[in-house]
Amino acid sequence: GQQVMQIPQYQHVQEGEDFTTYCNSSTTLSNIQWYKQRPGGHPVFLIQLVKSGEVKKQKRLTFQFGEAKKNSSLHITATQTTDVGTYFCAGLAGGTSYGKLTFGQGTILTVHP
Amino acid sequence: DGGITQSPKYLFRKEGQNVTLSCEQNLNHDAMYWYRQDPGQGLRLIYYSQIVNDFQKGDIAEGYSVSREKKESFPLTVTSAQKNPTAFYLCASSLGWVGNQPQHFGDGTRLSIL
Repeated sequence: GQQVMQIPQYQHVQEGEDFTTYCNSSTTLSNIQWYKQRPGGHPVFLIQLVKSGEVKKQKRLTFQFGEAKKNSSLHITATQTTDVGTYFCAGLAGGTSYGKLTFGQGTILTVHP
Repeated sequence: DGGITQSPKYLFRKEGQNVTLSCEQNLNHDAMYWYRQDPGQGLRLIYYSQIVNDFQKGDIAEGYSVSREKKESFPLTVTSAQKNPTAFYLCASSLGWVGNQPQHFGDGTRLSIL
């Protein structure tokens, strides 16, 4: 079945440093979604990428979808303590608009002030 | 406010006992999902329902059961057949059974074994 791998599993940064998490799928994806889960909280939808090579920005967050639609990344510029949490990618298998998302294992980000 | 309500927040199960986790949504969403979250393993899909009176097994359905008698409600029963039930359970919903819809999550239920 489809697998979505996310690296790194953990990332510790000093406040102000940049952070990147990578998501790789074993199969081509129709789209990819990113979620953030604060400590003790529930996942919250951040963004969706659909097109090959797509890049989207939300303030200090930059999301990319690979040309082959098998990988994606989330980059945070100049991290802040409010960025702490677990970041998940979730992909929908390619060739379909219907179906269940497969979540990556998540990257746990800690930010030291 | 529209949202998803899960209850209880914490639940303890005795050996051989079935327990039911509640999930209610007032978002008028057709699709609902149950996920299990374990440390370092992300979210794994237990069951999903595309529409009322219909549901399908996810990747780890063994030891769990669900029902979808009402659009707003999707309760999950953790049966005694689930030998390792200790986890954080998340219920989610989306507008429709289309993979490009964002999923909205409840606050979760943390289940532990006594």
